[in-house]
Amino acid sequence: EVQLVESGGDLIQPRGSLRLSCAASGFTVTTNYMNWVRQAPGKGLEWVSLIYPGGSTAYADSVKGRFTISRDSSSNTLYLQMNALKAEDTAVYYCARQRRGAVAGKPYHYMDVWGRGTTVTVSS
Amino acid sequence: QSVLTQPPSVSEAPGQRVTISCSGSSSNIGNTAVNWYRQLPGEAPKLLIYYDNLLPSGVSDRFSGSKSDTSASLAISGLQSEDEADYYCASWDDNLDVWVFGGGTKLTVL
Repeated sequence: EVQLVESGGDLIQPRGSLRLSCAASGFTVTTNYMNWVRQAPGKGLEWVSLIYPGGSTAYADSVKGRFTISRDSSSNTLYLQMNALKAEDTAVYYCARQRRGAVAGKPYHYMDVWGRGTTVTVSS
Repeated sequence: QSVLTQPPSVSEAPGQRVTISCSGSSSNIGNTAVNWYRQLPGEAPKLLIYYDNLLPSGVSDRFSGSKSDTSASLAISGLQSEDEADYYCASWDDNLDVWVFGGGTKLTVL
């Protein structure tokens, strides 16, 4: 069964650091596009970061320079290292697998499997 | 302020049909696929529609998607109480090289 399980969320003080993990089963993290998406309390979904199968990465402007996405093949796990945390980073963080298809040579993408999320609260 | 624009809420009676709109631009909806997600209270988002109008395995055919130029719509027919949820559209933005989401639409089944 394809599954994603996040962990590592915690209550952390502003300017602190935290590393989130996303353990995958039923597929290989390193051969897939993998994302982190967050949802602040009472708000909508906000994309955070993407790692491509080849290892390239992309970040939302709101976290660029502070967050780092990475993965480990031996444990089949996706990570999000979060530094210099701010109150506005408070959210439920979801990891999601991204799939790719193509029609007439033009690719399309969608996130098909999501974890249940882990909660990060940044507060003093 | 979300890059994609959705109505904050819609409501309709059981058994009826409702549509949720999603408006974007030429760099996202106008150029790439639109996906729709449903989020029940306290749960993770679930893929409902991908590539504008395709249903993942296991999703009811009461759900359908469409797209025209820089706008997309999600339609739900035969509304049921369990359809009450938040619905989000999403698209890859070719100019920004980021995923963009709509602000979400809360569906109430009266």
